[in-house]
Amino acid sequence: DTGVSQNPRHKITKRGQNVTFRCDPISEHNRLYWYRQTLGQGPEFLTYFQNEAQLEKSRLLSDRFSAERPKGSFSTLEIQRTEQGDSAMYLCASSLGTGTQETQYFGPGTRLLVL
Amino acid sequence: GDSVTQMEGPVTLSEEAFLTINCTYTATGYPSLFWYVQYPGEGLQLLLKATKADDKGSNKGFEATYRKETTSFHLEKGSVQVSDSAVYFCALRYGGSQGNLIFGKGTKLSVKP
Repeated sequence: DTGVSQNPRHKITKRGQNVTFRCDPISEHNRLYWYRQTLGQGPEFLTYFQNEAQLEKSRLLSDRFSAERPKGSFSTLEIQRTEQGDSAMYLCASSLGTGTQETQYFGPGTRLLVL
Repeated sequence: GDSVTQMEGPVTLSEEAFLTINCTYTATGYPSLFWYVQYPGEGLQLLLKATKADDKGSNKGFEATYRKETTSFHLEKGSVQVSDSAVYFCALRYGGSQGNLIFGKGTKLSVKP
């Protein structure tokens, strides 16, 4: 069990550029979540997948954000036309199962800085 | 909507002191409750959880009891160590099919030798 991995760990970009982050969940975990964490705040839910289906999107996920999980394994989160307000830590979590026994395991995050 | 409120930090304690970090929640239905810990430079790790009223979660000397009557899930440890220095997040997971966690703002704990 290698845990949830995320790449890159850090990303600096200029306003208006597009960025893409990748998350590799724990093998065989069917659920994958994306959260965003800004400085001094707790993580906030963005979206989640069950297998390859994107089942829920938060109001935080503007039209500039898109997420995919094409084969039900890894996932990508793309931000188009980045803005300074997008600067945050983007966290991925995966889990197996549902209900009260579900436990989400988090990756180390991708820290985005938009200049 | 559902929410979690944690005591504001930072909290600074001496080694072997008693720790309490308060957490209260607002939720419809009966959520599961969690404490996650984030050590410097690392990702969030599940510390403990409780899935129903009066359940006590425990791990690594930390405990928290799900109190439905006071809608609370306070984190306690009898004797903290320097290695416990981290940011602690209280969270709930709504009982519906959605499954996403709702976090508090986090409480930074610093333990001095």
